[in-house]
Amino acid sequence: QQQVKQSPQSLIVQKGGISIINCAYENTAFDYFPWYQQFPGKGPALLIAIRPDVSEKKEGRFTISFNKSAKQFSLHIMDSQPGDSATYFCAARNFNKFYFGSGTKLNVKP
Amino acid sequence: DSGVTQTPKHLITATGQRVTLRCSPRSGDLSVYWYQQSLDQGLQFLIQYYNGEERAKGNILERFSAQQFPDLHSELNLSSLELGDSALYFCASSVEADTEAFFGQGTRLTVV
Repeated sequence: QQQVKQSPQSLIVQKGGISIINCAYENTAFDYFPWYQQFPGKGPALLIAIRPDVSEKKEGRFTISFNKSAKQFSLHIMDSQPGDSATYFCAARNFNKFYFGSGTKLNVKP
Repeated sequence: DSGVTQTPKHLITATGQRVTLRCSPRSGDLSVYWYQQSLDQGLQFLIQYYNGEERAKGNILERFSAQQFPDLHSELNLSSLELGDSALYFCASSVEADTEAFFGQGTRLTVV
């Protein structure tokens, strides 16, 4: 059973557009929600993270929106660029264990 | 560069064999995590060590084992390999057991 459900599986966005990736969870014990970016042949790299007592966190063009009551969180990439093309993973932590979503392959068209 | 070093980068071996994957964490990091990434399963947490002790266990098969040594490097041992074990294996490290982890570049294991 997947603890964190991520959608969509793939996403195509035009340069300058907004990319939105969604994740949902059931376990209310999760206390930390990071997003990772992974380029081909590389390991995942931490992009941005949020704790459940905050509804939104912004770092540059990347924003996490967190809805505790709905048990959902999403990553918004504003002004998407071809260099953002990568696979994005959401994750959730419970007692030192990180559970990852299945990943979203983002392709930003020039 | 995350500072986490994994060796080897690529490994090709036959079914039934045993392999050892090695991970050197970032300087100062006490915690090491192992993950398996395959096309159909995404990123699966296998096991975590903190300062030499096992801290958390995920979906790790009995054929797999790991350990963290006094110098904090870690090894993941995979035995009786099956075709389905072909995947990318990532190591990650963090300062403490509950702080954010930084991933290495992975070892691509191909079982033929």
